Amino acid sequence: DAGVTQSPTHLIKTRGQQVTLRCSPKSGHDTVSWYQQALGQGPQFIFQYYEEEERQRGNFPDRFSGHQFPNYSSELNVNALLLGDSALYLCASSLQGGNTGELFFGEGSRLTVL
Amino acid sequence: AQTVTQSQPEMSVQEAETVTLSCTYDTSENNYYLFWYKQPPSRQMILVIRQEAYKQQNATENRFSVNFQKAAKSFSLKISDSQLGDTAMYFCAFMDQNTGTASKLTFGTGTRLQVTL
Repeated sequence: DAGVTQSPTHLIKTRGQQVTLRCSPKSGHDTVSWYQQALGQGPQFIFQYYEEEERQRGNFPDRFSGHQFPNYSSELNVNALLLGDSALYLCASSLQGGNTGELFFGEGSRLTVL
Repeated sequence: AQTVTQSQPEMSVQEAETVTLSCTYDTSENNYYLFWYKQPPSRQMILVIRQEAYKQQNATENRFSVNFQKAAKSFSLKISDSQLGDTAMYFCAFMDQNTGTASKLTFGTGTRLQVTL
């Protein structure tokens, strides 16, 4: 049973560029959430996708957008990259309506913006 | 909005000893989950233990247990018989139990735990 997988594991971009990060949820899960973890900080909630729609959003600008596909996988897109976007981006999956509240996390994509 | 506070940036414990990590939170909700997650250098967040707010009994998972004080909004983690593999960042996290906000975790800033020989 594959857990949450994310790609790429590391990437380097320059300011102003755009980036796409990918996530495949744990088998049987239908909800994907994205978190940004700056160095030395706790993860911050970006948004959640369920049934191919954004259901909740944290305090992040519109430069951050996402998508969920029919197979429940998801992408996170960040436009017009800033130095401050350098962080570990974590994907977490869960089952909507599940009563445990538990999220399963991937190992993250480390983004460095130069 | 909920907030989670971890006031211990770093802690150290000797192997086989017991250590307690502190966490306080603030919320106006009555039904919620509290979690402790472990993040080793491999970066993957791993669930250590989970507590449902309506349950008075403290959760335990092998060497890990919590002291949940709902009125005080306190949720500490006790690690008994510490092992070298427990070395990691530990994050306390809150989740509103309402379905509409499911999977939105609010994390604290973490406590770096070092287990020494």
